[in-house]
Amino acid sequence: DQQVKQNSPSLSVQEGRISILNCDYTNSMFDYFLWYKKYPAEGPTFLISISSIKDKNEDGRFTVFLNKSAKHLSLHIVPSQPGDSAVYFCAASPQGAQKLVFGQGTRLTINP
Amino acid sequence: NAGVMQNPRHLVRRRGQEARLRCSPMKGHSHVYWYRQLPEEGLKFMVYLQKENIIDESGMPKERFSAEFPKEGPSILRIQQVVRGDSAAYFCASSPGAGTPYEQYFGPGTRLTVT
Repeated sequence: DQQVKQNSPSLSVQEGRISILNCDYTNSMFDYFLWYKKYPAEGPTFLISISSIKDKNEDGRFTVFLNKSAKHLSLHIVPSQPGDSAVYFCAASPQGAQKLVFGQGTRLTINP
Repeated sequence: NAGVMQNPRHLVRRRGQEARLRCSPMKGHSHVYWYRQLPEEGLKFMVYLQKENIIDESGMPKERFSAEFPKEGPSILRIQQVVRGDSAAYFCASSPGAGTPYEQYFGPGTRLTVT
């Protein structure tokens, strides 16, 4: 029962271009969404989040978009840099609960 | 300002032994979460604790697994009589309090290998 899905296991983008990572969810009770970035042999690092009452949140090169009707969110990185190469996890928090439900991750590779 | 600390970073146990994983939250954080990541999968929630209290253990296997967060000292995830299927990366996270929008900050993980 995968409530948060990242359907693209990998993505390759040219340096300087836009990277778009996608995430779909099935549980309408999720009210908070987060993106984490993970390097090998390290723990996930928080990137950006969005509440379900918003449809966009921006922080520097990172923007998260939320489409509640489609139960879809996306992370845009522009411009992409070589240091952005990592695995990106989408996560969601159910209303009233503290746990995070993670997607399977998307491995982003930025090519020079 | 130290982040979340976990030890050991790598742990090898033979089948049937016990594994103890430790987590020290960030300074000022009183909420601890444990997650498990199997190879090629996302992180799966196991348990959420506050000092001396288990708040949500809905992700914990019913047998062999236990967790505590004592008044003094680190949080401990204990796995008794380990089996090969317990081999995974175990991540601890902490947050300053409950309720959104508190993000969870993760430690580097403990990689458990059961031989």
